[in-house]
Amino acid sequence: DTGVSQDPRHKITKRGQNVTFRCDPISEHNRLYWYRQTLGQGPEFLTYFQNEAQLEKSRLLSDRFSAERPKGSFSTLEIQRTEQGDSAMYLCASSSQQGSWENTIYFGEGSWLTVV
Amino acid sequence: AQKVTQAQTEISVVEKEDVTLDCVYETRDTTYYLFWYKQPPSGELVFLIRRNSFDEQNEISGRYSWNFQKSTSSFNFTITASQVVDSAVYFCALRGNNRKLIWGLGTSLAVNP
Repeated sequence: DTGVSQDPRHKITKRGQNVTFRCDPISEHNRLYWYRQTLGQGPEFLTYFQNEAQLEKSRLLSDRFSAERPKGSFSTLEIQRTEQGDSAMYLCASSSQQGSWENTIYFGEGSWLTVV
Repeated sequence: AQKVTQAQTEISVVEKEDVTLDCVYETRDTTYYLFWYKQPPSGELVFLIRRNSFDEQNEISGRYSWNFQKSTSSFNFTITASQVVDSAVYFCALRGNNRKLIWGLGTSLAVNP
């Protein structure tokens, strides 16, 4: 399977703990996105990378959140000092850009976070 | 401002019925893309279709069809002869010049046997 993969799929953590999610995009895709989704809502944009460069961050991404894509391949999203409001599904997606055109964004299965 | 409205929050049909999911969008961009994604209970967002603003041809893929009308800013999705496996949340999304995906709130479709 060469789709977007995320790990772990589910995480339950105590408030105040740090958590890290990993995303492996489709191999030839140079763009990688992180979204957050809560029940009954559409995905909310958090940040995206083109290769290893983080080009944009949403205001939703507080200073407790950090994302990296060190070699332009996989990415990690870390949440420090988790709060109950961080409980959500964190979706990773990837796409390829050719010139000024961006192809379709493909999503992974998501990582569910529950903060208790 | 860009916006996507999916007015139907939940739809329930009986298997083999046809069902149409509505999507209305707002944008001032002249070039934009519209998408439909399916999200089954497992959580993965499955890409269904992409349509650019210059292509108003309707599309049919098996039991799925899409009706894009720029005059009414709508991009509706019809499932013909629905099946239980079609049960999912369906999202319509818009991407304009800022390259961000703007999502509707989704329509939860329940197909009952």
